[in-house]
Amino acid sequence: DTAVSQTPKYLVTQMGNDKSIKCEQNLGHDTMYWYKQDSKKFLKIMFSYNNKELIINETVPNRFSPKSPDKAHLNLHINSLELGDSAVYFCASSHPGVREKLFFGSGTQLSVL
Amino acid sequence: QQPVQSPQAVILREGEDAVINCSSSKALYSVHWYRQKHGEAPVFLMILLKGGEQKGHDKISASFNEKKQQSSLYLTASQLSYSGTYFCGTEFNDYKLSFGAGTTVTVRA
Repeated sequence: DTAVSQTPKYLVTQMGNDKSIKCEQNLGHDTMYWYKQDSKKFLKIMFSYNNKELIINETVPNRFSPKSPDKAHLNLHINSLELGDSAVYFCASSHPGVREKLFFGSGTQLSVL
Repeated sequence: QQPVQSPQAVILREGEDAVINCSSSKALYSVHWYRQKHGEAPVFLMILLKGGEQKGHDKISASFNEKKQQSSLYLTASQLSYSGTYFCGTEFNDYKLSFGAGTTVTVRA
């Protein structure tokens, strides 16, 4: 069983569209994250949820809206996609606290044309 | 604030050693190391907490020097499987993990 799974793996879309990426973890972790990896491989945290509560919200355009229906799921919805949103988006989970190891999903390659 | 990693890239022959450095401009509370193979997710290697400890994972070890605000990852007797991009993540006691730009390691037979 995959520990952290995210779908879709690839997402190709036109500028201006709205899209969602889904993430689920079966590790029993309370904390989930969204990271963005750009073309230069920088991994930047976007959001963190602990037991469905938003605890980290970095400087991310408000076109990005995370939603956590329960502690095993964290979805990312993106409105009005722009070219600069093209990147790989990774979901991750951990036990509570940043001093716990992160388990990453396999990533979603988003290409905005 | 993102940590600074050096070098950006390193090419090794099997059996050679390498050191990857991770420096911060602020006092560190913890340092994480991850490895990412091409097209895959980053995978956890180790966490070092404040206290200057050293840890190991197979023949990969790391140290954490609080005074110098840096951590080093040591790849000893490198194997082909060590190829990938290594990221350090730093935390300043604010519970946010910031990753460096990564160091690409290529191990050749």
